[in-house]
Amino acid sequence: RKEVEQDPGPFNVPEGATVAFNCTYSNSASQSFFWYRQDCRKEPKLLMSVYSSGNEDGRFTAQLNRASQYISLLIRDSKLSDSATYLCVVNLRSGAGSYQLTFGKGTKLSVIP
Amino acid sequence: ETGVTQSPTHLIKTRGQQVTLRCSSQSGHNTVSWYQQALGQGPQFIFQYYREEENGRGNFPPRFSGLQFPNYSSELNVNALELDDSALYLCAGQRGTYNEQFFGPGTRLTVL
Repeated sequence: RKEVEQDPGPFNVPEGATVAFNCTYSNSASQSFFWYRQDCRKEPKLLMSVYSSGNEDGRFTAQLNRASQYISLLIRDSKLSDSATYLCVVNLRSGAGSYQLTFGKGTKLSVIP
Repeated sequence: ETGVTQSPTHLIKTRGQQVTLRCSSQSGHNTVSWYQQALGQGPQFIFQYYREEENGRGNFPPRFSGLQFPNYSSELNVNALELDDSALYLCAGQRGTYNEQFFGPGTRLTVL
């Protein structure tokens, strides 16, 4: 089983649609959770951290279920500029002061006019 | 702005050669991590440096090595390059409540 698994995608949605990304992780000792977005041939950029109680940032809502080892990201009212690959990321403590990020393969989103 | 820069942006090498990639991180990023991202894959953790010492390593062979300097800059060295080493190499500085990592723009390495 892969450490972080995401929907394989790609997702093609019209502008204004709501889209949901799902992710599961295998290591129950994982300590923190993130969604990154990555534009084509660019570096990953932190979209949002995922808190245990869930959190919202504008059109973006992230949820975490530690019992099920499941993370989700919801994007409402999709914009053309949301087109990117969305990476589910898990942070695991691997030494003194050391945190190792484990990434899913990513799900590509294309928002269509 | 992440405060993390990398050089060079692109590099072409031949199989068997050695390469050094560089990363500069603003003050406050005393932890730096390196990742390899092959085409169509998520980034894979190579290793992390904290206060100039290796402090965690992923599943990469010893020909991948690194250094961190007192000014928080860092190097990734790869010896005996193989074709499969062709990838985007990313450096990340760590900070924040949840130990968030912030990436530089990456170095795209092509091995011929």
